Amino acid sequence: DGGITQSPKYLFRKEGQNVTLSCEQNLNHDAMYWYRQDPGQGLRLIYYSQIVNDFQKGDIAEGYSVSREKKESFPLTVTSAQKNPTAFYLCASSIREGGNTEAFFGQGTRLTVV
Amino acid sequence: RKEVEQDPGPFNVPEGATVAFNCTYSNSASQSFFWYRQDCRKEPKLLMSVYSSGNEDGRFTAQLNRASQYISLLIRDSKLSDSATYLCVVTGGYQKVTFGTGTKLQVIP
Repeated sequence: DGGITQSPKYLFRKEGQNVTLSCEQNLNHDAMYWYRQDPGQGLRLIYYSQIVNDFQKGDIAEGYSVSREKKESFPLTVTSAQKNPTAFYLCASSIREGGNTEAFFGQGTRLTVV
Repeated sequence: RKEVEQDPGPFNVPEGATVAFNCTYSNSASQSFFWYRQDCRKEPKLLMSVYSSGNEDGRFTAQLNRASQYISLLIRDSKLSDSATYLCVVTGGYQKVTFGTGTKLQVIP
């Protein structure tokens, strides 16, 4: 079955550590996205990538980094520079071509700083 | 101005009521429009696409007004199970997908 997979589902990090969240899709989608969601809040865009080896900052990119070496994969690293990383992180992908684009989401990673 | 704006709510409505949400977008070149539903602590899921001609799916009706740059979602005969956050989604040039912050709906018995 085609889909988008995030791992792990729950992640605990000590302060000062970098952690990497995985996002893999087998939908052959060109575009991929990372969003952050805080309790009771909406989705905020961290980074997005429209094609391999290219990505753009979203609204809250500070303290995060990404790579897009393969079409299927868009890992997000939460660095120690991110002062308040505890949140729900959602990865999404969408079809780049065509006028009726739909976004598909992974099930999310809940990151907690301990 | 935000690219996509929604009233965060919450909208507290009794069962059986009709409720409507609006969402405005700033980029007149936006191409595709959707409503997503997000349940608490879950990922968003596509509810319906929005077309200029309108789109109806059972109790749900979505409309697009390109001239005024807004989309709407109407829910008739609200059920308890409709309680969720409804996200407006707009795709623009280069297929960038932008989400509104969501409107929370609580249907009350």
